[in-house]
Amino acid sequence: AQSVSQHNHHVILSEAASLELGCNYSYGGTVNLFWYVQYPGQHLQLLLKYFSGDPLVKGIKGFEAEFIKSKFSFNLRKPSVQWSDTAEYFCAVVLSGGYNKLIFGAGTRLAVHP
Amino acid sequence: NAGVTQTPKFQVLKTGQSMTLQCAQDMNHEYMSWYRQDPGMGLRLIHYSVGAGITDQGEVPNGYNVSRSTTEDFPLRLLSAAPSQTSVYFCASSLSRTAYNEQFFGPGTRLTVL
Repeated sequence: AQSVSQHNHHVILSEAASLELGCNYSYGGTVNLFWYVQYPGQHLQLLLKYFSGDPLVKGIKGFEAEFIKSKFSFNLRKPSVQWSDTAEYFCAVVLSGGYNKLIFGAGTRLAVHP
Repeated sequence: NAGVTQTPKFQVLKTGQSMTLQCAQDMNHEYMSWYRQDPGMGLRLIHYSVGAGITDQGEVPNGYNVSRSTTEDFPLRLLSAAPSQTSVYFCASSLSRTAYNEQFFGPGTRLTVL
């Protein structure tokens, strides 16, 4: 069965530190990739997505992610985090050509201290 | 547009009770789905619908029923609640059933089964 692994369950950073959250998936076929964010008390929002083309994708709020097909990875990055980035981040995969059934990772809870 | 709305926001049930979680969207989206979010497990797909009158099971369908009589509404029914169904439930919708569409999530329903 397809699965998504997020390596870090909890990350604590100081403001202005750089962020990289790991995401790997297990599926040999073509996939579409997403990062969602859930701010405290809010619903999930889309940060960025990759379908095809340039493997470096830019999303909202200064986030970016790089798709490395050979490593089955889609890591999320931000050069300088802010306190307002405190949230839970979910990587998700959907199989291209299929229905829009997202497969989520377990999530990474990020806390940014001022 | 209200987007995706869910009611109630919180619910406490006793084991064996039944209830319906409501979900509605006003974006004329074709695809709707229900996920449950549990700590350390991310979101898992319960049921989904690719249009009015068409539903199918996701990853964790046991104990839940759905129906889709209109494009707008996609209620989730718990026939006999069990403590294992304590979770946060999210409804989502997307314009199309294909894997190239952003899913929009509702605010969630936090359910506790005693």
